[in-house]
Amino acid sequence: DAKTTQPPSMDCAEGRAANLPCNHSTISGNEYVYWYRQIHSQGPQYIIHGLKNNETNEMASLIITEDRKSSTLILPHATLRDTAVYYCIVRVADSGNTPLVFGKGTRLSVIA
Amino acid sequence: KAGVTQTPRYLIKTRGQQVTLSCSPISGHRSVSWYQQTPGQGLQFLFEYFSETQRNKGNFPGRFSGRQFSNSRSEMNVSTLELGDSALYLCASSVGQTNQPQHFGDGTRLSIL
Repeated sequence: DAKTTQPPSMDCAEGRAANLPCNHSTISGNEYVYWYRQIHSQGPQYIIHGLKNNETNEMASLIITEDRKSSTLILPHATLRDTAVYYCIVRVADSGNTPLVFGKGTRLSVIA
Repeated sequence: KAGVTQTPRYLIKTRGQQVTLSCSPISGHRSVSWYQQTPGQGLQFLFEYFSETQRNKGNFPGRFSGRQFSNSRSEMNVSTLELGDSALYLCASSVGQTNQPQHFGDGTRLSIL
């Protein structure tokens, strides 16, 4: 079972920041937070991941609370092409390649 | 850099048949994972191969199998197809080391008649 809780859906106006929350209150010290998104009829796309520090890349920013029990994915200027299902995934960091466990995600609709 | 390539994109089979799906990972990636996506169950992990060895396995029946070749390309096979096997089958590749993200292809959509 997925170890994260996300709202089922959110709306965002085009050009505004989209803030997608994720709760992972049972996260362990050796688990990372990963974000993926899936646009209709495509495979999931990797966005960003982090352990405890905030992370930023060309796609988004990831803000993790100090207690690591929740995080927020920020898309700074949402466009219509950002409409997708966003998945927050907690994954253990080990020597292997632990499978991704997907929940139901958040369906983000960007509105013109 | 080319992404993960899955072939074919669409496939129609009938019950009882068997099917083989192919995945070419990103160059330099040694790990290939397979996932099944259905409307009812969502995305579920099937298995993962690293250096031609199955390293992880999900909770699927033995009809689902896979293999990886020396060039890291992978195939998955489903035998004795059932209606419930209709799904989007996704392949993901990664370097295979700790924390490195998996990158997905666009999948093979399998329909069973």
